[in-house]
Amino acid sequence: AQRVTQPEKLLSVFKGAPVELKCNYSYSGSPELFWYVQYSRQRLQLLLRHISRESIKGFTADLNKGETSFHLKKPFAQEEDSAMYYCALIQGAQKLVFGQGTRLTINP
Amino acid sequence: GAGVSQTPSNKVTEKGKYVELRCDPISGHTALYWYRQSLGQGPEFLIYFQGTGAADDSGLPNDRFFAVRPEGSVSTLKIQRTERGDSAVYLCASSPGRFTDTQYFGPGTRLTVL
Repeated sequence: AQRVTQPEKLLSVFKGAPVELKCNYSYSGSPELFWYVQYSRQRLQLLLRHISRESIKGFTADLNKGETSFHLKKPFAQEEDSAMYYCALIQGAQKLVFGQGTRLTINP
Repeated sequence: GAGVSQTPSNKVTEKGKYVELRCDPISGHTALYWYRQSLGQGPEFLIYFQGTGAADDSGLPNDRFFAVRPEGSVSTLKIQRTERGDSAVYLCASSPGRFTDTQYFGPGTRLTVL
């Protein structure tokens, strides 16, 4: 079965430090992967998707098919990055399969 | 423009009651999705509409759950004989309808079954 695993429920780093949120997936075929973010009191929104290869708010994510990973990285964390982050893949036509999420806290 | 809206924002009901949750998608979006998010978990897919028809309802947990989208716009998720385990945040999302379009999420309805 298709599955997304985010091994860290909580991650805390200091402002200015590098951030890496881990995501591993199991999928038969060519996956399309996403990172969604939910800031406090806001709705879930798309942060980035691997096919666009964009850098959004300084975040990047590289699809590693050999390791079946799609880790989210940012070289210098900012306080406004504190949020809940979800990794997801598309299954079938348009069904998103989400990981459990990682709560990122940036300490001043 | 206006995003996806959901009503009510909160719903408290008693075990065994019937509830309806409403979703208004972004105007012009032909695809509509329902997800359920239990405490401490990521959203889980329930059902996907393309226009008026349910293209994939494989995530509905049992026959107490039903969803409609009669005119291809607003959708209603209906839960019969609610159980305490149905307590969760119910999320709705919409997209323009093309394959791999970005899904835009609503704020969710928090359902509490006492």
